[in-house]
Amino acid sequence: EVQLVESGGGLVQPGRSMKLSCAASGFTFNNYDMAWVCQAPKKGLEWVATISYDGSTTYYRDSVKGRFTISRDNAKSTLYLQMDSLRSEDTATYYCARYLYYFDYWGQGVMVTVSS
Amino acid sequence: IQMTQSPASLSASLGETITIECRASEDIYSNLAWYQQKPGNSPHLLIYDGSKLADGVPSRFSGSGSGTQHSLKINSLQSEDVASYFCQQYNIYNTFGAGTKLELK
Repeated sequence: EVQLVESGGGLVQPGRSMKLSCAASGFTFNNYDMAWVCQAPKKGLEWVATISYDGSTTYYRDSVKGRFTISRDNAKSTLYLQMDSLRSEDTATYYCARYLYYFDYWGQGVMVTVSS
Repeated sequence: IQMTQSPASLSASLGETITIECRASEDIYSNLAWYQQKPGNSPHLLIYDGSKLADGVPSRFSGSGSGTQHSLKINSLQSEDVASYFCQQYNIYNTFGAGTKLELK
């Protein structure tokens, strides 16, 4: 059974950093591209970033370029999202998802609240 | 690419057939997926490549369309179908529609 379990969320002040993790199991992690998708409270879904199966290629939405970094450790079957210079508008639930151009499996999500 | 999803909300009766539309700002071919999100849960893939049913998804769900116009149809509405539904284009990067909240009448 495919499982994606996010961790690392919480309350953080504007301008500070936070790192999210996503532990994957139930599939061969290093065969798949992965992604982060966020959802602000009571809002819709927004793609954040994507990383290729081997970590060699990454893509970001414009609003997070230069502030967020997606990475992976295939030996640990873990996906990461390093979020720097956080803004109030980054407040959202962050989901990790397996990426096949569409998102076929999703984690349960982790809440990130950016507030002073 | 912008995705315009309609309606924003929908109220329907059990057993009814409903349709949700997504219009893309440019041709996305069949590079479109549909997701269901029940309250408090993460999204769940229903349809990919415009019309292909994801594993385990009931056959009362169907997707159609190509180019800029796409739709999700739910036949014989069940109580467990109460949820929000989102489309996603993946022709160029990824963009989601704003969502449709489906309620029972």
